[in-house]
Amino acid sequence: RKEVEQDPGPFNVPEGATVAFNCTYSNSASQSFFWYRQDCRKEPKLLMSVYSSGNEDGRFTAQLNRASQYISLLIRDSKLSDSATYLCVVNRANDYKLSFGAGTTVTVRA
Amino acid sequence: DVKVTQSSRYLVKRTGEKVFLECVQDMDHENMFWYRQDPGLGLRLIYFSYDVKMKEKGDIPEGYSVSREKKERFSLILESASTNQTSMYLCASSYQVTDTQYFGPGTRLTVL
Repeated sequence: RKEVEQDPGPFNVPEGATVAFNCTYSNSASQSFFWYRQDCRKEPKLLMSVYSSGNEDGRFTAQLNRASQYISLLIRDSKLSDSATYLCVVNRANDYKLSFGAGTTVTVRA
Repeated sequence: DVKVTQSSRYLVKRTGEKVFLECVQDMDHENMFWYRQDPGLGLRLIYFSYDVKMKEKGDIPEGYSVSREKKERFSLILESASTNQTSMYLCASSYQVTDTQYFGPGTRLTVL
């Protein structure tokens, strides 16, 4: 089983729509969780950290469900500029390094 | 702002050549990483360095070696390039191992 699994998508949504997707992780002892954003042919950049209580950054909301071992990302009022691949990142409990999911692609259309 | 730079954006090499990829960070980070990214596989860790001259193998170290002679610089070496090493190579750095990682722009390597 992969350490981090994501639905690759693509999620095609119109501008203004809400889109949400999940990521599952295999190690129940993981402690650090992040969402990164990667634009086409660019490097990954941190979008937001994910805290146990959930957190919000503008139109983006991240949630952590430890019991079911998944994290989620919700994007409200989608903009064309939100089109990107979103990488789920979880630390590995055995060596603390980060494991990256293969990414979920979101395409926002006008 | 953290800045991570990589020596080349695009590189084309022939099978059997020795290839050097260089990465420099300007934030005095202890930890530096080399990943490769392939479609559908996500980022896979090749090597990790937690201090000058200190290194650890990642998940896919075969065919690669690394060098960290100065804190700000981490080099990835392909001793004898093969076609299956055609990939996007990404360097990253972080303050703590579990912290946010800051990535360089990547080097797209093609081995013919």
